[in-house]
Amino acid sequence: GEDVEQSLFLSVREGDSSVINCTYTDSSSTYLYWYKQEPGAGLQLLTYIFSNMDMKQDQRLTVLLNKKDKHLSLRIADTQTGDSAIYFCAESLSGTYKYIFGTGTRLKVLA
Amino acid sequence: SQTIHQWPATLVQPVGSPLSLECTVEGTSNPNLYWYRQAAGRGLQLLFYSVGIGQISSEVPQNLSASRPQDRQFILSSKKLLLSDSGFYLCAGAEAKNIQYFGAGTRLSVL
Repeated sequence: GEDVEQSLFLSVREGDSSVINCTYTDSSSTYLYWYKQEPGAGLQLLTYIFSNMDMKQDQRLTVLLNKKDKHLSLRIADTQTGDSAIYFCAESLSGTYKYIFGTGTRLKVLA
Repeated sequence: SQTIHQWPATLVQPVGSPLSLECTVEGTSNPNLYWYRQAAGRGLQLLFYSVGIGQISSEVPQNLSASRPQDRQFILSSKKLLLSDSGFYLCAGAEAKNIQYFGAGTRLSVL
């Protein structure tokens, strides 16, 4: 089926690293994405990775892609209270204009 | 990058009343456009997408319809709202790399 799976909750202490994991389904996906959603707001694109890459780093964010296991992760270094939000991974289905979104991981950062 | 405008931000409607939510796109032309519904701050359900004026694809059978009368305008409608239509509605537009940019969302409460 077309399910993108994420763990529901993650709690970390301020200053620690956060790692949010995602398992996707379409091995032909061209791009995979991470979005952040704060309460009552729309989704904000954080970063994306092309499927022929293993890793992408953007300031405090590191994306790792394991195509063999269809596993995507987002690492946030030096996590701050402002990082508290729901994080969604998404894959673009090959041959379509559609995304499949994960269920979202709610990150809570403890001061 | 493109900007997605949605309004209103919040809407309370009685059961059986009509609905019209509007989404406009700024900063690009000929984008793919999407309507999603999000229940209870969790995953996103794709309702409709459009690859051009007058071209609408429906993903799930429901009480809603969509129209694209202009290149950068996408409208979500209903003739008679149901209680189950309550939710958070998000409009998105996509262009290069199929990156979707989201509006701020409309929270619809049907009472």
